Amino acid sequence: DVKVTQSSRYLVKRTGEKVFLECVQDMDHENMFWYRQDPGLGLRLIYFSYDVKMKEKGDIPEGYSVSREKKERFSLILESASTNQTSMYLCASSHGQFSYEQYFGPGTRLTVT
Amino acid sequence: KQEVTQIPAALSVPEGENLVLNCSFTDSAIYNLQWFRQDPGKGLTSLLLIQSSQREQTSGRLNASLDKSSGRSTLYIAASQPGDSATYLCAVKEEVDSNYQLIWGAGTKLIIKP
Repeated sequence: DVKVTQSSRYLVKRTGEKVFLECVQDMDHENMFWYRQDPGLGLRLIYFSYDVKMKEKGDIPEGYSVSREKKERFSLILESASTNQTSMYLCASSHGQFSYEQYFGPGTRLTVT
Repeated sequence: KQEVTQIPAALSVPEGENLVLNCSFTDSAIYNLQWFRQDPGKGLTSLLLIQSSQREQTSGRLNASLDKSSGRSTLYIAASQPGDSATYLCAVKEEVDSNYQLIWGAGTKLIIKP
């Protein structure tokens, strides 16, 4: 079974703090993704990576950065957390390009106060 | 630009009924469409994936159909159970600038009343 894990289930941070969200997958997938999910808006893609050290902006990259130093790990970084970044953050991974489904981690609910 | 819509946003039905969830998309040039389930406070579980060349997929009590020409997919749930209560999301996969992305609907919250 594919396993995607995220470092924290719940996280509370203060405005201005630097926040790291970690995601690890154990299936040697090339592609990894970070989404945020807000009520009524569905999932919105923040960044994705199709290879080590490669990254592409998604729909809402502002205020975020990512790091992929190893194939199995994809980190989402909030350089200076703001209250409008309070959300559920979901990591996903997939194999190959077009035909394969994405597998999701359990999510991290981040609250910025 | 691709848009994915799920209507209704919420649905409540008595236990045992069959029901259909709807997903529509504006651009038929998709590679596949996927249905997910999300339980409160949790991540997503993939239910069914339909390739663009397929018309439907079945898994247990679930059946998903795809009509690319009309830009529609339906998720049929037979003999609903309280454990089916969750938010159901659909997502289409398409190529964007030589990469692919999932475009998501906002979800339908399903409540099955015992």
